[in-house]
Amino acid sequence: DTGVSQDPRHKITKRGQNVTFRCDPISEHNRLYWYRQTLGQGPEFLTYFQNEAQLEKSRLLSDRFSAERPKGSFSTLEIQRTEQGDSAMYLCASSLELAGARGQFFGPGTRLTVL
Amino acid sequence: QKEVEQDPGPLSVPEGAIVSLNCTYSNSAFQYFMWYRQYSRKGPELLMYTYSSGNKEDGRFTAQVDKSSKYISLFIRDSQPSDSATYLCAMSARGAQKLVFGQGTRLTINP
Repeated sequence: DTGVSQDPRHKITKRGQNVTFRCDPISEHNRLYWYRQTLGQGPEFLTYFQNEAQLEKSRLLSDRFSAERPKGSFSTLEIQRTEQGDSAMYLCASSLELAGARGQFFGPGTRLTVL
Repeated sequence: QKEVEQDPGPLSVPEGAIVSLNCTYSNSAFQYFMWYRQYSRKGPELLMYTYSSGNKEDGRFTAQVDKSSKYISLFIRDSQPSDSATYLCAMSARGAQKLVFGQGTRLTINP
């Protein structure tokens, strides 16, 4: 399978715990995006990377959220001190630089439940 | 007010019907318009992409963009039960990297 992969697919945690998600993009894609999708809503942009550089962050990305893409390949999204409002599907997407926003391919998502 | 508005439905139609899905938007800077299909508990899958105004057809799917009215549509002809999913419109401005999505319309095609 050469698509975007995300791990884990599901995560249940208790309020106050830290969680980390991983995204592996399509191998030749140098852009990587994170979105959050709550139940019954469309995805909302969180942040994106071009290679290892984080070029844009949404105001939705509070201080408790941090994303990295250390070698320009896979990316991690960490949420510290989780809150019940963090419960959502976290989607990763990747694209070629030339394709830009319109060429984003999404992974299956990580569903987070905060108890 | 959200930048992109989409009727969440749900929309239920019989197999073979023509389906019309719509979005309106407020940001005149949007230049790229996309439709994604999302099955339950899966990631969105790109269906159609259109640049600026006009029509684009791909098999049973037709996407229309009317920038003067800030209105986009997706038509599905000869709808099939396998088309049952949530359909999301998404848009971006020239040079922007983020996609702005509508709420999604849940569609069910009844056999």
